[in-house]
Amino acid sequence: AQSVTQLGSHVSVSEGALVLLRCNYSSSVPPYLFWYVQYPNQGLQLLLKYTSAATLVKGINGFEAEFKKSETSFHLTKPSAHMSDAAEYFCAVSDGDTDKLIFGTGTRLQVFP
Amino acid sequence: SAVISQKPSRDICQRGTSLTIQCQVDSQVTMMFWYRQQPGQSLTLIATANQGSEATYESGFVIDKFPISRPNLTFSTLTVSNMSPEDSSIYLCSVETRTGTGYTFGSGTRLTVV
Repeated sequence: AQSVTQLGSHVSVSEGALVLLRCNYSSSVPPYLFWYVQYPNQGLQLLLKYTSAATLVKGINGFEAEFKKSETSFHLTKPSAHMSDAAEYFCAVSDGDTDKLIFGTGTRLQVFP
Repeated sequence: SAVISQKPSRDICQRGTSLTIQCQVDSQVTMMFWYRQQPGQSLTLIATANQGSEATYESGFVIDKFPISRPNLTFSTLTVSNMSPEDSSIYLCSVETRTGTGYTFGSGTRLTVV
């Protein structure tokens, strides 16, 4: 079964610093991968997704992620953090056999002034 | 993309009672899913709601506790039965709008069991 692992349950950065949230997947074939954001007391919002087209995927709010097959990774980055980026971020993988969407454990991003 | 209406948005229930959550989609979809998000946790898939047949449950979830109905391609319900405080969570409906690559989530039902 497909799964994703998010390294680091909490990440803290200063405003203006690089944001790097890590996600590794377990799959023998290239999966479909997603990053979602959840602001406090709000629903899920899709940031970006990889669906086997370009390996560098650009999303909303200045975020991007790069699919690296050799590293089985799909890390999320943003060059310069804003205070408004403070939220919970989830990496997810689509199971190609069942179409189920499986989530990682999440990473809480804190941004300090 | 599909628009999901999930009701109720929140509820406070007494232990031992049951709550039924409704998920209505504005278009026909093949795949519908129910998730649980416990406080401070990630989303865990409860089951896949199958139209016209029994839902497919994930490990750790059983039909007696979480009965699911899906009478057609636009509607599903999840019941949380015989509730205990441990059932306090956000329950979310999700639909697949494009095979393997597109998913839409409802706004969730925030359940508190007292």
